[in-house]
Amino acid sequence: NAGVMQNPRHLVRRRGQEARLRCSPMKGHSHVYWYRQLPEEGLKFMVYLQKENIIDESGMPKERFSAEFPKEGPSILRIQQVVRGDSAAYFCASSPGVPGGSYEQYFGPGTRLTVT
Amino acid sequence: DAKTTQPTSMDCAEGRAANLPCNHSTISGNEYVYWYRQIHSQGPQYIIHGLKNNETNEMASLIITEDRKSSTLILPHATLRDTAVYYCIVRVAIAGSARQLTFGSGTQLTVLP
Repeated sequence: NAGVMQNPRHLVRRRGQEARLRCSPMKGHSHVYWYRQLPEEGLKFMVYLQKENIIDESGMPKERFSAEFPKEGPSILRIQQVVRGDSAAYFCASSPGVPGGSYEQYFGPGTRLTVT
Repeated sequence: DAKTTQPTSMDCAEGRAANLPCNHSTISGNEYVYWYRQIHSQGPQYIIHGLKNNETNEMASLIITEDRKSSTLILPHATLRDTAVYYCIVRVAIAGSARQLTFGSGTQLTVLP
């Protein structure tokens, strides 16, 4: 049973370029979460999605960041016009969506974004 | 979600039990205690969770006090690979409400050879 998959594992972008981070949840999981970890800081929640719906984006920066989880395919976190402050590790997590089921989240290995 | 308090760091000798405490004095009746850990540069790893009863799985045991205001994560035989930051998180987990995790600073556990 494959775990949460993220790609790419490392991504280098120049200032002003776009970054696209992909996350494939565990099989059978319909909830996806994105977290960001800035250097030497803790993990911060960004956005929570279910298939085709954004449920909670209270942790997303107001500009340049967007996320989607289409009916088919992986969840995408998109950062437009990247700046050096976007350099961080971005983690995706998934959990099952069965009411009454467990809600522990399983994390992927992360994408390390470096903006030069 | 209730706030948690953990020691900043702890050491443990390899092969001995590691006991990581967590205070959550404002926990509500419908809030669970979750434990995760993050080994350097890796994604966080789910360890265990519980509501009021003690829980055990292949990784660890979770002891929750009767008043639920504190808990202890026990790694029975710590190895060098258990060196990580351990996060205690209190969170509502009810049907139809799958919410994000709020990570604090956690406890840096260092297992010494």
